[in-house]
Amino acid sequence: DIVMTQSPDSLAVSLGARATINCKSSQSIFYSSNNKTYLAWFQQKPGQPPKLLIYWASTRKSGVPDRFSGSGSETDFTLTISSLQAEDVAIYYCHQYYTTPLWTFGQGTKVEI
Amino acid sequence: EVQLLESGGDFVQPGGSLRLSCVVSGFSFSSYVMSWVRQAPGKGLEWVSGILGNGVTTYYADSVKGRFTISRDNSKNILYLQMNNLRAEDTAIYYCAKTTGIPDSWGQGTLVTVSS
Repeated sequence: DIVMTQSPDSLAVSLGARATINCKSSQSIFYSSNNKTYLAWFQQKPGQPPKLLIYWASTRKSGVPDRFSGSGSETDFTLTISSLQAEDVAIYYCHQYYTTPLWTFGQGTKVEI
Repeated sequence: EVQLLESGGDFVQPGGSLRLSCVVSGFSFSSYVMSWVRQAPGKGLEWVSGILGNGVTTYYADSVKGRFTISRDNSKNILYLQMNNLRAEDTAIYYCAKTTGIPDSWGQGTLVTVSS
């Protein structure tokens, strides 16, 4: 199984400041035949299901604010919130779908103000 | 609009059984892989099971293999999860998810509590 490890487990960021969440996969999730990286990021607020923010490591889903960005390759990835807003308080999960439908998720990073 | 609505969650004793359902609308159900993902109270997300659109090929996490069975009725647009021999560690919110490789749409979840 591919293990996804996020850091930190939680972080507190001031309104308007940058938040950075890291994710490392236990093996490469880059598929060379199509040049795609099978990494997604989800946001989950209390009492709600996860919401897809980013896929293919850096493609923002339609409607997601552009303050959210994803980067990285092979085994190391980053989700950046460029200017934290109050509504961004949530838990963020990285997710590999390289072995779809046998998925794995990171343990989550709680973002607070 | 894509909609997924889970039901069937309940309080059950260890060793008991439950069947979860997920009624979907707004997309061509039979064309998509569907999955169940669970979340224990205060914990992270755990993939449980997946099923291809044909309903024949199924996948399970090691933690539920041999106890849970995923199935689908493409004529009724319903996804199922039959859960047998339930354990306390199966306590969680169970989400169904539509898959395009990625779980791009989720239901609101149904709560399963296993306790004596």
